[in-house]
Amino acid sequence: AQSVTQLDSQVPVFEEAPVELRCNYSSSVSVYLFWYVQYPNQGLQLLLKYLSGSTLVKGINGFEAEFNKSQTSFHLRKPSVHISDTAEYFCAVRNSGYALNFGKGTSLLVTP
Amino acid sequence: DTEVTQTPKHLVMGMTNKKSLKCEQHMGHRAMYWYKQKAKKPPELMFVYSYEKLSINESVPSRFSPECPNSSLLNLHLHALQPEDSALYLCASSLFTNSNQPQHFGDGTRLSIL
Repeated sequence: AQSVTQLDSQVPVFEEAPVELRCNYSSSVSVYLFWYVQYPNQGLQLLLKYLSGSTLVKGINGFEAEFNKSQTSFHLRKPSVHISDTAEYFCAVRNSGYALNFGKGTSLLVTP
Repeated sequence: DTEVTQTPKHLVMGMTNKKSLKCEQHMGHRAMYWYKQKAKKPPELMFVYSYEKLSINESVPSRFSPECPNSSLLNLHLHALQPEDSALYLCASSLFTNSNQPQHFGDGTRLSIL
């Protein structure tokens, strides 16, 4: 089964600094990749998705991700974070099955 | 604003109670899902409905009983739950069950079993 690995369980960063949340996937076939954000006491919100085409994907709230097939990575980036970006971020992969296979999540903590 | 609406937001119940969770979407999606999320963990798939028919049951105990009355509604009936069933229950929907269709999540029902 396809899987993703989120390499960092927690990422502390200062406000207005850039951030990168890492995600690697395991697959030998085509994959569909997603990043979701979960704010405290809320459900999951889709940030962006990679289905095909351009490897640089732009999402909501100023986030973007780059699909790198040779490195099997799909890292999430933001050039300047805000306090309000503090949340849990999940990378997910979906192949031919019904399920979204989530990574364990990365907790982003933005401090002043 | 989420386009998938879940009620109630919070539910506390005893182990002998019967209760139901409700999920509603009006995006015309034909696939709907139930996930269970424990604290500090990713969501885990429980059930998948496609065109109002149950497609996937991920070996979920029978004390959880899903129901899809129509294309916009998804229920999860609960009976004789255990304390370890306390979790956030998330509903999601997608246009179809095709792999490239993103799933849209509700805000969940936080369930506590006494």
